[in-house]
Amino acid sequence: NAGVMQNPRHLVRRRGQEARLRCSPMKGHSHVYWYRQLPEEGLKFMVYLQKENIIDESGMPKERFSAEFPKEGPSILRIQQVVRGDSAAYFCASSPQVNTEAFFGQGTRLTVV
Amino acid sequence: AQSVSQHNHHVILSEAASLELGCNYSYGGTVNLFWYVQYPGQHLQLLLKYFSGDPLVKGIKGFEAEFIKSKFSFNLRKPSVQWSDTAEYFCAVNSGGYQKVTFGTGTKLQVIP
Repeated sequence: NAGVMQNPRHLVRRRGQEARLRCSPMKGHSHVYWYRQLPEEGLKFMVYLQKENIIDESGMPKERFSAEFPKEGPSILRIQQVVRGDSAAYFCASSPQVNTEAFFGQGTRLTVV
Repeated sequence: AQSVSQHNHHVILSEAASLELGCNYSYGGTVNLFWYVQYPGQHLQLLLKYFSGDPLVKGIKGFEAEFIKSKFSFNLRKPSVQWSDTAEYFCAVNSGGYQKVTFGTGTKLQVIP
């Protein structure tokens, strides 16, 4: 059973471009979480999704950021019109049920130049 | 809102020294507690977790943590560290339900051979 797969591992974008980060949860996991880790900070919760539904997006910036977890395919975190402050490591985690531990992917390191 | 404090940002130890990393959380209700480790260039891995039961939790690689409810603490310990324990350690908490986890800022541990 492959772990949580995130791609790309590294992503470089110019200011104003769009960034798309993908996360394939572990097999059988229908709960997906996105976290962001800014330099020298801990991980901050962004959004929690189940298949086709956003359950909690309280940690998402109000503008430019969106997330989806379609019925088929990976979860996508989309950042429009990126700015330098979006440079961070973005981690995805998945869990099989609501109150069980989540397993993390290796993260996508986004650099905005 | 819940929060997590890790008191030590950087710790340097010699091999065979004992380790204790402090973690305090603020939340008055039922909590689940975690310690994660992130080795250089790798994803977050779960070291141990506390959901209920015995407050002294044994994890992988010889780590353990003790949940002291009265002190809102969940300190991580290892009696004798190895060079391979060099990594960043994150304490985390969630208040039950889904895995919207709040992380501490992390402690970077460097073990000197």
